[in-house]
Amino acid sequence: NAGVTQTPKFRVLKTGQSMTLLCAQDMNHEYMYWYRQDPGMGLRLIHYSVGEGTTAKGEVPDGYNVSRLKKQNFLLGLESAAPSQTSVYFCASRHPGEGGYTFGSGTRLTVV
Amino acid sequence: GESVGLHLPTLSVQEGDNSIINCAYSNSASDYFIWYKQESGKGPQFIIDIRSNMDKRQGQRVTVLLNKTVKHLSLQIAATQPGDSAVYFCAENMGAAGNKLTFGGGTRVLVKP
Repeated sequence: NAGVTQTPKFRVLKTGQSMTLLCAQDMNHEYMYWYRQDPGMGLRLIHYSVGEGTTAKGEVPDGYNVSRLKKQNFLLGLESAAPSQTSVYFCASRHPGEGGYTFGSGTRLTVV
Repeated sequence: GESVGLHLPTLSVQEGDNSIINCAYSNSASDYFIWYKQESGKGPQFIIDIRSNMDKRQGQRVTVLLNKTVKHLSLQIAATQPGDSAVYFCAENMGAAGNKLTFGGGTRVLVKP
């Protein structure tokens, strides 16, 4: 049971490049989330999904898009990366009614 | 907007002593609270949670206290160990669709041998 798996773990992008971060969970969780964490700060919600085929904006959605085509996967896309998107990105999942989220180990993204 | 915050950014604790990490929240509608531990280079790890109909909950070496009157949450770690060194976050959930968590800024706990 792998839990929540994020790929890649590290990535360096040039300004204007695009990329997709993949999150996969094997716990059959309905809810999935993408957060970003900047140095010395807490996690801020980018986008989330309450089920396959549905997505919604979080606190800081600008510059990001997401897709939930399969229940177990939640993709985060950056269409045109900016230095302000340098951060550590965490994916999490949860089943309705259960306790805390299960987090992945993060993707460290640097935009130069 | 509504937010969750922490009083102390860094807490130094002698090994074996008890640790207390505090958290203030501002949204009286929040009905569920969670404490997470985050070690360097890792994702947040669930420690303990508490619902708003409770004022205390105990786990293994950890206790969470909730004071709804003053909107205050605390995490107590008994007999702090070197492995407890990490950043601790509190998070609140207002029970809306999707059960989105709002995280505080975090407190770093340093355990001195």
